[in-house]
Amino acid sequence: SQQGEEDPQALSIQEGENATMNCSYKTSINNLQWYRQNSGRGLVHLILIRSNEREKHSGRLRVTLDTSKKSSSLLITASRAADTASYFCATDASAGGTSYGKLTFGQGTILTVHP
Amino acid sequence: EPEVTQTPSHQVTQMGQEVILRCVPISNHLYFYWYRQILGQKVEFLVSFYNNEISEKSEIFDDQFSVERPDGSNFTLKIRSTKLEDSAMYFCASKGPGYAEAFFGQGTRLTVV
Repeated sequence: SQQGEEDPQALSIQEGENATMNCSYKTSINNLQWYRQNSGRGLVHLILIRSNEREKHSGRLRVTLDTSKKSSSLLITASRAADTASYFCATDASAGGTSYGKLTFGQGTILTVHP
Repeated sequence: EPEVTQTPSHQVTQMGQEVILRCVPISNHLYFYWYRQILGQKVEFLVSFYNNEISEKSEIFDDQFSVERPDGSNFTLKIRSTKLEDSAMYFCASKGPGYAEAFFGQGTRLTVV
């Protein structure tokens, strides 16, 4: 089964608009993390939300988590051209008292912000 | 800010050759990982390493792959006999204790010709 599926696959907006990306997953999780990847570059950690949290903010980022629907959303407010990148959700569903933290990534959303 | 560093950033190798990808995780982290991303595809888990041994590995991580933490700071991924399909971006990541965030390096782009 697929874990961590994002939609839309691609999103194109104007600078100043908000961007919303969604992620769905299939198994119970410990936490869900969002990452950004600029073209051909490394993965930058954006935010982590734990399974007992429903919403989290960091600067212009707002993440929600609905464990009953097994879904999460990432909202970027007042987008900038520099936000252009691929965004991935990754779920940590590792079991046991000591988390080994294996992450399962989705396909990602390609966000393009036009100046 | 502490970061995970990977070397080299790009490596080209001939099919059948051995390659070693190197990583220096964040110093107080306890869990170490390798992931790979084939061009245009999603990031895939390869292996996790904790307490000086492999804690979990994927079906991709076959006998051609091995990991080591030889000196308490470096964390290496060795591919014994590279195949064309091993061409990918390889990411190292490290994590502190508990359900903490994982930090990734900038990646090594491996091209097998």
